Amino acid sequence: NAGVTQTPKFQVLKTGQSMTLQCAQDMNHNSMYWYRQDPGMGLRLIYYSASEGTTDKGEVPNGYNVSRLNKREFSLRLESAAPSQTSVYFCASSDAVSYNEQFFGPGTRLTVL
Amino acid sequence: RKEVEQDPGPFNVPEGATVAFNCTYSNSASQSFFWYRQDCRKEPKLLMSVYSSGNEDGRFTAQLNRASQYISLLIRDSKLSDSATYLCVVNTHGGATNKLIFGTGTLLAVQP
Repeated sequence: NAGVTQTPKFQVLKTGQSMTLQCAQDMNHNSMYWYRQDPGMGLRLIYYSASEGTTDKGEVPNGYNVSRLNKREFSLRLESAAPSQTSVYFCASSDAVSYNEQFFGPGTRLTVL
Repeated sequence: RKEVEQDPGPFNVPEGATVAFNCTYSNSASQSFFWYRQDCRKEPKLLMSVYSSGNEDGRFTAQLNRASQYISLLIRDSKLSDSATYLCVVNTHGGATNKLIFGTGTLLAVQP
């Protein structure tokens, strides 16, 4: 099992460009999450999907959109990138029944110039 | 005030030392508690859950004090491989979705 995979691993964008970060999990988990991690700020939840067909805002949703394409895949879209969105983005998934462990992907390092 | 607060460190300790990390949380309704470990430029991974009665996993001991809203992690006989950032994590929401609040992490550097 690959666990949680993310693409791309690195990306550089110019202000105003758009891009989609892809995430997939092969653990048959119901819930999926997108976080950003910035120095001194910790991991902050952007959006989450409790189950296929549902998405909800987290702590810092502004400037982002998400799509839960199916049970395996959860994508994050930046419509018009801004320098403030320079960050490391992590996707995670969890079994809604256990409520405990979230499994994280390797992250995407995004720089917006 | 942050929901979950940790001393950022760094904690520089020699191999074999015992080191303790502390964490406080602000929401008294918090329901579950964890320590995650994050190696440099890697993703966070669950180290251990924290139970009200305290729990131990090998060299690692976690304690929870609900009255003081305080969580601790003790590492005995530190190894070089313990060098990482330790994240205190709290689930304040419960329900059908596992929404976690992460502390900013405490950096541990174990020296030879």
